[in-house]
Amino acid sequence: GAGVSQSPSNKVTEKGKDVELRCDPISGHTALYWYRQSLGQGLEFLIYFQGNSAPDKSGLPSDRFSAERTGGSVSTLTIQRTQQEDSAVYLCASSLAPRDRGDQPQHFGDGTRLSIL
Amino acid sequence: AQTVTQSQPEMSVQEAETVTLSCTYDTSESDYYLFWYKQPPSRQMILVIRQEAYKQQNATENRFSVNFQKAAKSFSLKISDSQLGDAAMYFCAYRVIQGAQKLVFGQGTRLTINP
Repeated sequence: GAGVSQSPSNKVTEKGKDVELRCDPISGHTALYWYRQSLGQGLEFLIYFQGNSAPDKSGLPSDRFSAERTGGSVSTLTIQRTQQEDSAVYLCASSLAPRDRGDQPQHFGDGTRLSIL
Repeated sequence: AQTVTQSQPEMSVQEAETVTLSCTYDTSESDYYLFWYKQPPSRQMILVIRQEAYKQQNATENRFSVNFQKAAKSFSLKISDSQLGDAAMYFCAYRVIQGAQKLVFGQGTRLTINP
C-alpha cells in the first residue's frame, strides 16, 4: 500500500495478557516511530528506529514495553502483562532518513486502539 | 525539556469564518521545527503546515497560515474561510533539528465548524 499500515485496527484484551501491535512503514522509509495517544491527550513518543542504528527507547514507559524492527521494515510493539492504563491508541509513523537540514515529514498510520478490560 | 501547550481544549467557528488556534512552547534550542497536525475521527495524523524556526517568514498553505513569534515562543494557526471538512482535533508539535527526531505534541484543540 501507499501509506503506513497498522494492524490490528482495534484490540481488546484482558488485563495481564501480552499484546503485539504491528506497523508496516512506507516502502523506502528508513525511520520508524511509535507514539501513544491516551484518551483526550496528545501523542506521547515511545521509540524511534533509524536504519541499523540503536533505537531511541527513551519514551518507553516501563520494561513491559518493547519493540523490534526486523529487516529494517516491519516493526512490532509488544506490551507484556497489560494493565488498564495501557489502554490507548498506538500510532506508528515513518519517514525518509533524517538529514542535517530540512525536515523529513513523518507519515502516520491510522493507529491501533487498544482496550484493556 | 521541551514542552508544547495548547490552552484551548475546544474551539468553534461558523462556516466561512476565520479561526485562530493558539500554541506556545518552551525550549532552550535556537533551531527547531514547529508543526500543526490535524486528526480527524479516522485517527490518522495529517500534516497541515510546518515552520522552520530559522525562517522569519510565516508559513502559509492555502487557507492555513501561522503567526510565528520566536521571542514569545508562540505559534498560532489561522484557518481562513473555514469549511466543514476542517472539523477535527488539531495538534501543535515541535521537533529539534539536530539530534532526537521525536515530535513533542501539545494536548490538542477540538475544532467544530458550525454550518
